[in-house]
Amino acid sequence: TQLLEQSPQFLSIQEGENLTVYCNSSSVFSSLQWYRQEPGEGPVLLVTVVTGGEVKKLKRLTFQFGDARKDSSLHITAAQPGDTGLYLCAGEGSNYKLTFGKGTLLTVNP
Amino acid sequence: KAGVTQTPRYLIKTRGQQVTLSCSPISGHRSVSWYQQTPGQGLQFLFEYFSETQRNKGNFPGRFSGRQFSNSRSEMNVSTLELGDSALYLCASSYSFNEQFFGPGTRLTVL
Repeated sequence: TQLLEQSPQFLSIQEGENLTVYCNSSSVFSSLQWYRQEPGEGPVLLVTVVTGGEVKKLKRLTFQFGDARKDSSLHITAAQPGDTGLYLCAGEGSNYKLTFGKGTLLTVNP
Repeated sequence: KAGVTQTPRYLIKTRGQQVTLSCSPISGHRSVSWYQQTPGQGLQFLFEYFSETQRNKGNFPGRFSGRQFSNSRSEMNVSTLELGDSALYLCASSYSFNEQFFGPGTRLTVL
């Protein structure tokens, strides 16, 4: 069974601070996605990383896929209250199945 | 382009009843996946359909079933509801499997 461990589980920071969220597994994934979910809504896809060592930037968000394709990180620079939400990583394994981490609940206080 | 729609958005049932949830994918998407989300377990994969065929299923009891129609719309059914089935049920559609677009979910409460 493929598992994804996310850390930290909860994160509460002040506006303007930087933060990093981690997603780790002992399994290799063919791709990894990051989603953000707000209360009462479904997750929204932020990015997909496919190649080991790949780095993608989306405005203030930087995503990295580990060289061995077993782990990933999400770094947010100068966090804003609008970044508040549940951040989920999901790994694509074999046979059309996504495995999700339990998420990091981020609160950015003004 | 319209997003993924799920109906109903909220549902209250009692133990022992059955329920059917519906999902309409984004136009052109042929893959539909279903997930159960609870505070304790997070998002757990139920099953995935492509062109009316179930390609994979998660570790849920047989009370959970699904199907997909020729227009890619999908339904999931839960029979003999238990209190532990209370959850947010999410449907996601995709063109290429690894980029999934989620609907808003159906919040099921079992009393």
